[in-house]
Amino acid sequence: QVQLRQSGPGLVKPSQTLSLTCAISGDSVSSSSVTWNWIRQSPSRGLEWLGRTYLRSKWYNDYAVSVKSRITINPDTSKNQFSLQLDSVTPEDTAVYYCATSGNYNYWAFDIWGQGTMVTVSS
Amino acid sequence: QSALTQPPSASGSPGQSVTISCTGTSSDVGRYNYVAWYQQHPGKAPKLMIYEVSRRPSGVPDRFSGSKSGNTASLTVSGLQAEDEADYYCSSYAGSNNFDVFGTGTKVTVL
Repeated sequence: QVQLRQSGPGLVKPSQTLSLTCAISGDSVSSSSVTWNWIRQSPSRGLEWLGRTYLRSKWYNDYAVSVKSRITINPDTSKNQFSLQLDSVTPEDTAVYYCATSGNYNYWAFDIWGQGTMVTVSS
Repeated sequence: QSALTQPPSASGSPGQSVTISCTGTSSDVGRYNYVAWYQQHPGKAPKLMIYEVSRRPSGVPDRFSGSKSGNTASLTVSGLQAEDEADYYCSSYAGSNNFDVFGTGTKVTVL
């Protein structure tokens, strides 16, 4: 049974970097059959897919156009987890952030989700 | 990439059926069969209910069904139960530039 456990601060100052981690149990971040995603949810923007990392012959990343210039998603094989970094945050980045995995059905069906982290961007 | 359009609300009495629409474009819903539906209860993470338009993950009751016609996908919940009261979101793959787009969400109320 795959489980995802998120951690990270709930308050970030404007212009700083938002950093969250998603620890994986029951699977490996190095699995070649799944992808590891970050998705956020806010009243103003709804649900928004942010990006993903996955291993095939090498590590790949895909990012949403809306955040492409500010986002980094990295796997950490030593700790079996993956992380989200979002630079230069503004109050518009205030949201509940979720990590999620896909691949058991197809790469665009997110079947396992983390518990969510409410991140507020405020000074 | 714009969000997929869903009605803000839908309702039905216990035992009845409710159908939620999800309207996209020829670049997402109309082009790909990677439409998914999620159920979200307050304070919880979304739960996958339907994938690839009409397929149910293991453990999802067959009261939940999905379909698609043109640029519009639909989720039908038959035999409504109190626990079906939740927010429902659709999503669709939108190609290798826009990747995945979600719907605006529909609040289902069981009267």
